[in-house]
Parts: sequence; structure tokens; C-alpha cells
Amino acid sequence: DGGITQSPKYLFRKEGQNVTLSCEQNLNHDAMYWYRQDPGQGLRLIYYSQIVNDFQKGDIAEGYSVSREKKESFPLTVTSAQKNPTAFYLCASRGDSTDTQYFGPGTRLTVL
Amino acid sequence: AQTVTQSQPEMSVQEAETVTLSCTYDTSESNYYLFWYKQPPSRQMILVIRQEAYKQQNATENRFSVNFQKAAKSFSLKISDSQLGDTAMYFCAFIRTFYGGATNKLIFGTGTLLAVQP
Repeated sequence: DGGITQSPKYLFRKEGQNVTLSCEQNLNHDAMYWYRQDPGQGLRLIYYSQIVNDFQKGDIAEGYSVSREKKESFPLTVTSAQKNPTAFYLCASRGDSTDTQYFGPGTRLTVL
Repeated sequence: AQTVTQSQPEMSVQEAETVTLSCTYDTSESNYYLFWYKQPPSRQMILVIRQEAYKQQNATENRFSVNFQKAAKSFSLKISDSQLGDTAMYFCAFIRTFYGGATNKLIFGTGTLLAVQP
């Protein structure tokens, strides 16, 4: 099946710990994105990558880090510097010939 | 800066009826795309329909159609023959046409929660 996978579906973290969210796609898309969604709000862009080994900060990058070593993978690390990390995180990818972004199923992160 | 506004936080419709969700946007760009995404209780974000700004013809996907008014910067979604599975949060989104090296950010509205009643 072609698509975007995110793991885990639910993640619990203690305060002060870093945690990494996985995002993998087999759509052969160059661009990948990370969004954060809080209750009652739309999506806000954290980081994006338009090509391997390159990425840029979005609107709310503080407290997050990413890497893009492979075309298929774009992991997001939520660091202890992120003040309020409890949220729903969505990964998306976009192909070259279209501006349409396709989303993974998301990861719900809860800080205990 | 581009903005997307959805003025209806919640809506309700009876099964088999038709409902229209509103969206307005603000941009100085002339080339862009507009989208409606659906987020059911599973929280997966699913593409419903897409409209290219340069096309005058309104996009249609089965029971879903849009009314795109470029001059008014309005982009409403019509759902015909509503089904229980249409119950979801619906997001309107805007993106300017991608140019190599340019930031290509999808801008979302705050969403409309649609409940389809049996």
C-alpha cells in the first residue's frame, strides 16, 4: 500500500524527556511536513523539508528538531525545551507535480 | 499574509439532506490552490476536494462540490445526500502555487464541526 505512516499512535512522555515521532512515506514525494494540532484549532506548521538533507523552520519550531537523511523518512524530536508539547502531531508529504499535501494518521503525544 | 476564515464552528444536517460549509480567505496572490480536508473522529486528515484558482469551473468529487468565487475570495463546500460517515471536522486550506525554493505553506482555517443526524 502506498501512503504515509506515523508511529506510535499514542505516546506518553515524562517532563524533561526528549521523544521522537516517526514519519515514513512510500509515495516517492520530495517534500515532507510536520504540523501540530491543538483542540479547537487548525494545524500549525512546525518544520518542513523540500528535499533530502534540507529542512526549514515553520511557524512554531521552538522546542522541536528534525532530520531528513532519507527521502522516505522525516522524524520529529520533541525536546524538553518545548513548553507545552501535549498535542496531536500530523505528518504530511507532497509530490513534485502537485501542491496537494497528503497526511499520515497522526500521533497523540501526552506529557505526564 | 494569507488568512483563511471559517465562520461556522458547528453545523448539523439530517441524513440525506444537503449542507453548505463556508470559507473565506484573504490573499494578494493570483495563483493558488484551495482545499477542503475532512478530519473524522479517527483524526486522520483526508483530502476531500481541491480547486485551482486559475480554473473557473467549480471542482466536484461525487457528492462534494465547491462554489469558488475568486473575486469575493469565497470557497464554500456543498455536501449532497449527507451520510452518517460525513460526520467530521472540515478544514478549509489555502496554499500559494509552488515556485522552486519558495516557502510552500498550507494555511488552515479553524474548522467546522459537521454532525450528520440520522
